[in-house]
Amino acid sequence: DAGVIQSPRHEVTEMGQEVTLRCKPISGHDYLFWYRQTMMRGLELLIYFNNNVPIDDSGMPEDRFSAKMPNASFSTLKIQPSEPRDSAVYFCASSLVGLAGGRDYEQYFGPGTRLTVT
Amino acid sequence: AQSVAQPEDQVNVAEGNPLTVKCTYSVSGNPYLFWYVQYPNRGLQFLLKYITGDNLVKGSYGFEAEFNKSQTSFHLKKPSALVSDSALYFCAVRARRLASNTGKLIFGQGTTLQVKP
Repeated sequence: DAGVIQSPRHEVTEMGQEVTLRCKPISGHDYLFWYRQTMMRGLELLIYFNNNVPIDDSGMPEDRFSAKMPNASFSTLKIQPSEPRDSAVYFCASSLVGLAGGRDYEQYFGPGTRLTVT
Repeated sequence: AQSVAQPEDQVNVAEGNPLTVKCTYSVSGNPYLFWYVQYPNRGLQFLLKYITGDNLVKGSYGFEAEFNKSQTSFHLKKPSALVSDSALYFCAVRARRLASNTGKLIFGQGTTLQVKP
């Protein structure tokens, strides 16, 4: 299994530009999570999906951030327009919970996308 | 409200000595508890979990953790630290709900472990 795949690994962009981060979860997993990590705020949950449906987006900082999951094998996190304070490492994670529970629950993280907005 | 606390920002130990990284939690009901490790420029890696059963859980790389319900703690331990154990460690909790499974984890702020030769 290739694990969770994220692209790009590094992104440098100018303020005001649109940024799109991509994630491919582990096949068969029914949950997908987007996190952001910074030195100041630590690890923050931005949004998560269950069976491609957004469940909780209360961590999304503002309307400039949006996330989609058009199918079980792909998700995007978009920032438009980007700002310097968005600079962070963005992680995608997936897990298998299942309808009846009792499954793994642990989340498997991708390698992250390091975003730098100048 | 559900929360996880890691009271130490950094733990320093000498190689070969035992190590403990502390974690306390606050959730309603019986929790599911996890430990993750993050090496520099990498994603978080799962180490071990407690769901039910034996309070002492063994995980990867020789780590173990002890669930203590009365103290609401889940401390990570290793009998003999290695320099290669130096990393950032996260404790996490998920509340068990019979009616629904959120899958969401609440993470602590992380503890940096430094193992010196």
